[in-house]
Amino acid sequence: AQSVTQLGSHVSVSEGALVLLRCNYSSSVPPYLFWYVQYPNQGLQLLLKYTSAATLVKGINGFEAEFKKSETSFHLTKPSAHMSDAAEYFCAVRGGGNKLTFGTGTQLKVEL
Amino acid sequence: NAGVTQTPKFQVLKTGQSMTLQCAQDMNHEYMSWYRQDPGMGLRLIHYSVGAGITDQGEVPNGYNVSRSTTEDFPLRLLSAAPSQTSVYFCASSGPTYEQYFGPGTRLTVT
Repeated sequence: AQSVTQLGSHVSVSEGALVLLRCNYSSSVPPYLFWYVQYPNQGLQLLLKYTSAATLVKGINGFEAEFKKSETSFHLTKPSAHMSDAAEYFCAVRGGGNKLTFGTGTQLKVEL
Repeated sequence: NAGVTQTPKFQVLKTGQSMTLQCAQDMNHEYMSWYRQDPGMGLRLIHYSVGAGITDQGEVPNGYNVSRSTTEDFPLRLLSAAPSQTSVYFCASSGPTYEQYFGPGTRLTVT
């Protein structure tokens, strides 16, 4: 069975500061991992995905994530936060077929 | 391409009423799924389909029915709405590259 844990339901950073959103996973098979972003009153948009190629994955809007098998982690980072990054972020792991198991989400707040 | 579309955007039901949430995709994806999103709980899988004529239950299927008669459409039926089904519902589809594409959601309130 697959599961995802996102540490920190709310994260607050200053504009220009580093963004770090944490995700740890559990998977009985080599994982496919995803980060999605959800802006208010919208659906989820794919930020990036890991599918067993390069361990450092670059996504849209300057985000990237590093797959670390030894730590079962897939943390999302961005060097410099922008006000437009304020949103909710979800980590997900693919299970059997194309089923996704989501974490409970991290609300990112960006302050001036 | 319109991607994944959902109707309606908002709906208010009384307890015991039934309704169907519509979902369609134009990407020729075999896999489609329905999720509900509740505060602090992330997205939970209700039902999914791996192709026309094939459906299966997800994590929280009780109170919901689905069918898949075509590749494009995957409606979700609430047979007898309950206040516990107040939620935001998302439909998604995915193809051979595994990432799921989400619709804009339906916000349902059951009174």
